[in-house]
Amino acid sequence: DGGITQSPKYLFRKEGQNVTLSCEQNLNHDAMYWYRQDPGQGLRLIYYSQIVNDFQKGDIAEGYSVSREKKESFPLTVTSAQKNPTAFYLCASSWGVSGTEAFFGQGTRLTVV
Amino acid sequence: QKEVEQNSGPLSVPEGAIASLNCTYSDRGSQSFFWYRQYSGKSPELIMSIYSNGDKEDGRFTAQLNKASQYVSLLIRDSQPSDSATYLCAFPGGSARQLTFGSGTQLTVLP
Repeated sequence: DGGITQSPKYLFRKEGQNVTLSCEQNLNHDAMYWYRQDPGQGLRLIYYSQIVNDFQKGDIAEGYSVSREKKESFPLTVTSAQKNPTAFYLCASSWGVSGTEAFFGQGTRLTVV
Repeated sequence: QKEVEQNSGPLSVPEGAIASLNCTYSDRGSQSFFWYRQYSGKSPELIMSIYSNGDKEDGRFTAQLNKASQYVSLLIRDSQPSDSATYLCAFPGGSARQLTFGSGTQLTVLP
């Protein structure tokens, strides 16, 4: 089945630790995205990538880092510099960035204690 | 200035009624618009895409686009309790035309 897989579904980490969220897609999509969602809020863009080995900051990139070494994979690292990391993280992919519909993984709920 | 505004809700309608969800956007150059449905605790699911002025119907869902007024809406006919969710509108509003989302409208359909 084609789709976007995020893992893990739930993640707990101690404050001050870096943590990496996985996102893999087998849709052959060029573009991939990371969004953050806080309770009762919309989606805010963290980073996006249009092609392998290239990525751009979104609206709230501070405290996060990404890599795009393979077309299928776009992992997100939440660093200790991120002040409020507890949130629902969503990975998405699309054929291209400009004007195309995006499809989402099931999300990772990160809780930092 | 926000790029996309949604009626904030929450919105409650009785079962069988028409639910109307609205969204305005700031970028006159946008050519495509999307509606996503998000159930509580789940990820967003694409339910409608619309690219030209007018109406687009898909089952009980109708998307309406008015580019002159920079307005897009989603009508849900014969609303069912299973339609209870948050509805997000999105359009390519970023500097690289990446998808920008509204804050969502929470819809509750009362049995």
